[in-house]
Order: sequence, then structure tokens, then C-alpha cells
Amino acid sequence: KQEVTQIPAALSVPEGENLVLNCSFTDSAIYNLQWFRQDPGKGLTSLLLIQSSQREQTSGRLNASLDKSSGRSTLYIAASQPGDSATYLCAVRIDRGSTLGRLYFGRGTQLTVWP
Amino acid sequence: DGGITQSPKYLFRKEGQNVTLSCEQNLNHDAMYWYRQDPGQGLRLIYYSQIVNDFQKGDIAEGYSVSREKKESFPLTVTSAQKNPTAFYLCASSTGSVQPQHFGDGTRLSIL
Repeated sequence: KQEVTQIPAALSVPEGENLVLNCSFTDSAIYNLQWFRQDPGKGLTSLLLIQSSQREQTSGRLNASLDKSSGRSTLYIAASQPGDSATYLCAVRIDRGSTLGRLYFGRGTQLTVWP
Repeated sequence: DGGITQSPKYLFRKEGQNVTLSCEQNLNHDAMYWYRQDPGQGLRLIYYSQIVNDFQKGDIAEGYSVSREKKESFPLTVTSAQKNPTAFYLCASSTGSVQPQHFGDGTRLSIL
């Protein structure tokens, strides 16, 4: 069974810092990996999706990398802002038989950026 | 605007009662999913459906039931057999394996 781990569980930084969130997964036979943002009491917003054949994806101040062979992904946030405060979730998608299309989620990293 | 609508936003269940959570999408997505989220936990898959009139159990299906009679609708029933239903429930949809999953804003279920 696929296990997804996110480190750290919580992170508190001053505004302006560059930071890295980590995600690891046990089964490297993934189809793609997705990073989400969740604000308190809300649903998930997709930030970046990396296909298994890709190494990284960028969107604005966000950059996500994928090393499938080592089972790792990182989300890099440049020049953090208080508005970045949220929980960030990593999820991997496998496509194998009856599990076609489902995601496996980590527990998330709760980020606080203070002014 | 296209999206996923979950209702109600808050729901309360009495002992022995079944309750149904609604999920509607106008994205023309084939696949739909139900997740449960508990404090400090990742999302756990309850049920998912790839096409109309077909669905599969996820990791924690006991005490829940679903139907998929229409492409745009995937309601979840929390039955009285689910002894610990208090949680945040999220519905998602996607089209194809290369596209991201889109999520609704969730329903928070509590016990009276």
C-alpha cells in the first residue's frame, strides 16, 4: 500500500523567507504527484501537478520537483507572504488495476508566515 | 463558472439516523470521489466512481453508501452503522489520469 509522508508537520517563518516542504512516498510506481493548498474549513485548491515523466513544475513563486526513483518531492515557496499561510498537502496518484485514478494523501504541512 | 458544489455546509446527525451529503459538479468530469478528513489527518478515501452506475470502495467504506445515477451527481449517505461520523467530508472530481482533481468546499458533519 502506498504511504505518503510530509515533513515538517508544521512550519512557522517570518515573511520574505524562502522555504521548502517535503513529501516522500513508498511506492515509486506513481502516475503523477499533486500539491494542494487547504485554508481552514475549506476544500483543497490544486497548486501544481507533476507527471511521472517530469522533473519539476513552476507556477509563480511556487516550484515543485519530483524524484520518482527516490520517492521524493519538494515544494519550494519563494519570498513567502502572510497570505501563504495554509496547510499544504501532497498526494500521489497510482494507476494499477482496481485502484485506477485514486490519490494517496500525506497529512500535510501547516505553514504560518508572520509579518 | 464550472465547479463542484457540496451541500449542506454543516450537518448534524442524531443517533440512529441516516444522513445524505450532496455533491454536484458541472465540469463534465467522469470520475468522482468522496474523502473524509479528521483533524491532523490526511484525506482518506471512502468511495469513488469512474463512470455512471459504477463505484468502488475506498479504504474506509464501512458505514457509508453512495450512488452514481447521473454523471454530475455523487451523493454520500452516512448510515447509522458509522459509529464515528464526526468529520469534514470532501468531494472531488477529475477527468482522465493526467488532469488534477478538483475539490468542493466540504461538509462538516457533527453528532447531536
